Amino acid sequence: QVQLQESGPGLVQPSGTLSLTCSVAGGSMSGPFWTWSRQPPGKGLEWIGYVYHNGLTNYNPSLTGRVSISIDTSKKIFSLNLRSVTAADTAVYYCARADSKTALAFDPWGQGTLVIVSS
Amino acid sequence: EIVLTQSPDTLSLSPGDTATLSCRASQVVSSAYLAWYQHIPGQAPRLLIYRASNRATGIPDRFSGSGYGTDFTLTIERLEPEDFAMYYCQQSGNSPWAFGQGTKVEIK
Repeated sequence: QVQLQESGPGLVQPSGTLSLTCSVAGGSMSGPFWTWSRQPPGKGLEWIGYVYHNGLTNYNPSLTGRVSISIDTSKKIFSLNLRSVTAADTAVYYCARADSKTALAFDPWGQGTLVIVSS
Repeated sequence: EIVLTQSPDTLSLSPGDTATLSCRASQVVSSAYLAWYQHIPGQAPRLLIYRASNRATGIPDRFSGSGYGTDFTLTIERLEPEDFAMYYCQQSGNSPWAFGQGTKVEIK
């Protein structure tokens, strides 16, 4: 059974870079898409982007230019970098798997990690 | 870009009632790559339905999904106390992927 776990700093300075890692336990990283989403306080879920095992990426147009997602299949991790952050990037960040067996629905999810952008 | 609009924003119901949640897409969702999630504050979102009408592993048959094209529905029969939560639809058939804004099912 695949399990995901996010890790990274809980506090980031404005104009800095938010960096998170998602560790994948169990299963193979080849085949599925590996995704990041977030939920700002009091708001709904927002899709950030995905990375495929070969490094192919796709991002939410609202974040293009600031976001990058990478993968290291040998370490079984994938990572999110979000540059030039502001308070609007404060959110709970989730990683999840999107597999063709479930029509690219997100399952499972990590527990989420709160990142606050503040000085 | 496909925009998903969920209605209503809030549904006030009692345990035992039936909840009917709508998700309307601004364009046809490719191959019914439409999923529904339950999200309880403080927990990870949980996949309920994929491919519009397929229940995910371990999801009770009180939950059902239907629809195709641009109009999709999540139905929750015989509401249990643990069903009062936020629900999101999401599409992965067209880039960029997207969530609806959510429907809150609250206790009346």
